[in-house]
Amino acid sequence: GDSVTQMEGPVTLSEEAFLTINCTYTATGYPSLFWYVQYPGEGLQLLLKATKADDKGSNKGFEATYRKETTSFHLEKGSVQVSDSAVYFCARIIQGAQKLVFGQGTRLTINP
Amino acid sequence: ETGVTQSPTHLIKTRGQQVTLRCSSQSGHNTVSWYQQALGQGPQFIFQYYREEENGRGNFPPRFSGLQFPNYSSELNVNALELDDSALYLCASSLVPTGFETQYFGPGTRLLVL
Repeated sequence: GDSVTQMEGPVTLSEEAFLTINCTYTATGYPSLFWYVQYPGEGLQLLLKATKADDKGSNKGFEATYRKETTSFHLEKGSVQVSDSAVYFCARIIQGAQKLVFGQGTRLTINP
Repeated sequence: ETGVTQSPTHLIKTRGQQVTLRCSSQSGHNTVSWYQQALGQGPQFIFQYYREEENGRGNFPPRFSGLQFPNYSSELNVNALELDDSALYLCASSLVPTGFETQYFGPGTRLLVL
């Protein structure tokens, strides 16, 4: 069925390092894709989205490009900060249903 | 705007018991979705309520049920609790059923079943 697969974590980086968190999806058609972030003790927050192929979502220095050729939506940031430490979830809409399907999450820790 | 709130924050139950979790929607939002997030996993969709009616359901058994009230707050009820029901339960409210871009999540209720 339709699913989302993320790279396994945890990921630990030093401040100012380059970040990539991989996400691939299986789907029929071209679902809207999302990245959510979950900071400790807080609810999920929408970080960015892309609704069609070749769209680039961006927010807070994070970017992700919807690539239909590779069915991927990798999250990137050029220079991470300690405050970026959180769990990141890739997600997609299920066409015709009122729900999101999430990946398993990637825990990111940034050390000063 | 008060955001999405959930209560209680933590709960411990034993197998076979019943539990009710509560969610207050973001002001102006008429749609509430519930998700179960097991430890180390992504959230899984349980069901959605729109204007007090169930509007979509995931692969959860009937012992998971819900309600939405006229003020659009919501409850999730789980009967005959099982150990595998231990998880973080998230609710999310949105302006419309497919309004994922306007969807706000609450901080969750962590349920432990012993």
